[in-house]
Amino acid sequence: DQQVKQNSPSLSVQEGRISILNCDYTNSMFDYFLWYKKYPAEGPTFLISISSIKDKNEDGRFTVFLNKSAKHLSLHIVPSQPGDSAVYFCAASSYYGGSQGNLIFGKGTKLSVKP
Amino acid sequence: GAGVSQSPRYKVAKRGQDVALRCDPISGHVSLFWYQQALGQGPEFLTYFQNEAQLDKSGLPSDRFFAERPEGSVSTLKIQRTQQEDSAVYLCASRPTGASPTEAFFGQGTRLTVV
Repeated sequence: DQQVKQNSPSLSVQEGRISILNCDYTNSMFDYFLWYKKYPAEGPTFLISISSIKDKNEDGRFTVFLNKSAKHLSLHIVPSQPGDSAVYFCAASSYYGGSQGNLIFGKGTKLSVKP
Repeated sequence: GAGVSQSPRYKVAKRGQDVALRCDPISGHVSLFWYQQALGQGPEFLTYFQNEAQLDKSGLPSDRFFAERPEGSVSTLKIQRTQQEDSAVYLCASRPTGASPTEAFFGQGTRLTVV
């Protein structure tokens, strides 16, 4: 049973427009959420995170929104650039619920930004 | 380099062969994780070390998988009598802290192919 779900395997966006990547989770014990970006043949690279006590975190072109009641988070990229084309993984962990913070990942969404 | 380093990058093993995968975490990082990523999936947790102590090995798929971090720095993931279903990318990640929520930094991974 998947605890972190990314229901869109792929997303195509025009350069300069907004990219919105979605993620749903089922475990209410998750208290820290992260987005990672992965290029082919490379390891995942940390992008942005959010604690469960917040509902928004912004870093430059990247903003993550958390809706705890809906168990849903989203990553907004604006404006999108061709270099953003990659696979994006949503991940969650439970620091204060007794685990050591191992990450539970979704299956990823492949973003293609077209010039 | 300053990042997480994994070796070898690629490994082809004949079914039944033993393999050893190495991870050099970022210097001083307390936490070290191993993940397995099958094709088209997100990374899945295998095991966690805090310094030299293996605190969680609940994700190891069978007793053929063994991990160690004897001096609290370099870690080795060993797979005995490899099977075709072991074919995957094995990712190592390190984090500076033990229990505090911070991002984990990933290596480039070792792609294991069992033939």
